[in-house]
Amino acid sequence: DTAVSQTPKYLVTQMGNDKSIKCEQNLGHDTMYWYKQDSKKFLKIMFSYNNKELIINETVPNRFSPKSPDKAHLNLHINSLELGDSAVYFCASRKGLAGPNEQFFGPGTRLTVL
Amino acid sequence: AQSVAQPEDQVNVAEGNPLTVKCTYSVSGNPYLFWYVQYPNRGLQFLLKYITGDNLVKGSYGFEAEFNKSQTSFHLKKPSALVSDSALYFCAVRDRDTGFQKLVFGTGTRLLVSP
Repeated sequence: DTAVSQTPKYLVTQMGNDKSIKCEQNLGHDTMYWYKQDSKKFLKIMFSYNNKELIINETVPNRFSPKSPDKAHLNLHINSLELGDSAVYFCASRKGLAGPNEQFFGPGTRLTVL
Repeated sequence: AQSVAQPEDQVNVAEGNPLTVKCTYSVSGNPYLFWYVQYPNRGLQFLLKYITGDNLVKGSYGFEAEFNKSQTSFHLKKPSALVSDSALYFCAVRDRDTGFQKLVFGTGTRLLVSP
């Protein structure tokens, strides 16, 4: 059973295009995240939602817009894609907002902007 | 603000030898500490965490980590390395005293276990 899934796995697109990445978790978690992992493998949080409410919004360009239609889904829409957006994007989820619960990660979406 | 340092970009060890991957942290309050592993082209997998109590934490695949408050460290260890342990390892910290603060990751350490 897939716990945290992301689609698509690979995304190749031209500069200036708009694209979306979808994430779903079947763990019953109420907090979900988007992370960006760059070519040097640095992992940086972008957004976090709890019960469909945005709670963390790092210094991410407003071309990136997350949307959480329900607790099990967190999608990421990116407008006007730039070369620097090329990275692997990971979705994650956890139970609760505070406390020591660990996060569960999806398999990642490798975005390549040409 | 929270931060994590993983001073080694890469650790090389021969199969069967003990391994240590180093991590030091900085938080204003008390920490929750985590180790994750990332295999090539995969997402991060949780290995173990420190919450409170016993300073030695045991986790998946024979890994353990030792919490040292005075040295603000949380080094990952395994008594006998396997070639299949070769992967990228991330240490992460969350400040337990500031509520739902984000999880901050270190820069990762690549572990290479040679046969």
